Amino acid sequence: GAVVSQHPSRVICKSGTSVKIECRSLDFQATTMFWYRQFPKQSLMLMATSNEGSKATYEQGVEKDKFLINHASLTLSTLTVTSAHPEDSSFYICSARDHRGFTYEQYFGPGTRLTVT
Amino acid sequence: SQQGEEDPQALSIQEGENATMNCSYKTSINNLQWYRQNSGRGLVHLILIRSNEREKHSGRLRVTLDTSKKSSSLLITASRAADTASYFCATIEANAGGTSYGKLTFGQGTILTVHP
Repeated sequence: GAVVSQHPSRVICKSGTSVKIECRSLDFQATTMFWYRQFPKQSLMLMATSNEGSKATYEQGVEKDKFLINHASLTLSTLTVTSAHPEDSSFYICSARDHRGFTYEQYFGPGTRLTVT
Repeated sequence: SQQGEEDPQALSIQEGENATMNCSYKTSINNLQWYRQNSGRGLVHLILIRSNEREKHSGRLRVTLDTSKKSSSLLITASRAADTASYFCATIEANAGGTSYGKLTFGQGTILTVHP
């Protein structure tokens, strides 16, 4: 089956620093990747849609200058949380769609737990 | 935005019992999907039901879809302790194009606990 990895799985950083999270599709090519944020005991909130070779599309209320998304290849998208603050502490999950696009199924990464101290 | 409402928010049952979770949504959809999430982990796709389907089965899972009521249910039969997880419905909006193509909108989720 399709596998999506995320790195790191956990990260602790100090307030004011930047953190980069990688999302990779391991055995398929993904023209579209999605970034979600999940607070404890809550659902997933879509932050942005990342399309290979073009700018990401951000959901309303998500600061594009704070959450930088780069999708430079068909197998890698990165999310950089810039100048992180404690309120950015959350579980970040990415997903990827197979670029052949015949199915709506998204394959999810295992998530990255970000803690900002 | 989160358009799905799920109920119950939490469900606690004994092993062997059936578990039913419900999901409602607001817009016209192309399909509805159910996902499972173990605590602190990523999501696992369980089943997809298209808007022109009314019922679908996969192993111990049975999903129904009522587009007139904009609702779906997930039934897990003969539950096991290993079924303990959060379950989310997610919809793909009908006729969504451009940057909305393939975008999933998640419900609030049901936390299922199955006691051995």
